[in-house]
Amino acid sequence: KAGVTQTPRYLIKTRGQQVTLSCSPISGHRSVSWYQQTPGQGLQFLFEYFSETQRNKGNFPGRFSGRQFSNSRSEMNVSTLELGDSALYLCASSFRQGRDGELFFGEGSRLTVL
Amino acid sequence: AQRVTQPEKLLSVFKGAPVELKCNYSYSGSPELFWYVQYSRQRLQLLLRHISRESIKGFTADLNKGETSFHLKKPFAQEEDSAMYYCALVFTGGGNKLTFGTGTQLKVEL
Repeated sequence: KAGVTQTPRYLIKTRGQQVTLSCSPISGHRSVSWYQQTPGQGLQFLFEYFSETQRNKGNFPGRFSGRQFSNSRSEMNVSTLELGDSALYLCASSFRQGRDGELFFGEGSRLTVL
Repeated sequence: AQRVTQPEKLLSVFKGAPVELKCNYSYSGSPELFWYVQYSRQRLQLLLRHISRESIKGFTADLNKGETSFHLKKPFAQEEDSAMYYCALVFTGGGNKLTFGTGTQLKVEL
């Protein structure tokens, strides 16, 4: 079974630009969650999508958005990038349905904002 | 709001010694607790959850609601246990909105 795949793995942007990150979940998983990992704040929940609907949202500004497609693939977008957005963005998929919290993580997309 | 505290950033033990990674949480309801692990150059993965009450790779964790703790234990540390360990919590009905602790780096020395 292929694992969670995230693209791109590394990217460099400048302040003010926007970025789109992609996540392909494990086949059969309908829930996709996004987390931001930084040395200072650790792992922080961004949002969760299930069946193309946002089910949960973390405490991030509106510049952070996401969506899920009918094939369960998900994208997250960050607009008007700030230096503080530099982080590892992790995607995780889950079968859900009674197995909340059992996440399968991708390797992450490392974003550097200059 | 829920909070997960892992007081130790780094825990160093000798091979064969017992290991206890501490995790305390604050949440007024009934949470579900998890331990995630990240080995060197590998992705973050689930180690165990309190509901399953399993022993995975020799590790166990008991939820103590009175002390609001979920410490991870192993009687005899192995070199391959060296990794970053994260305690995480999700509240009932919270889906996959996990609150993670800051992690403890376990180093098993020979």
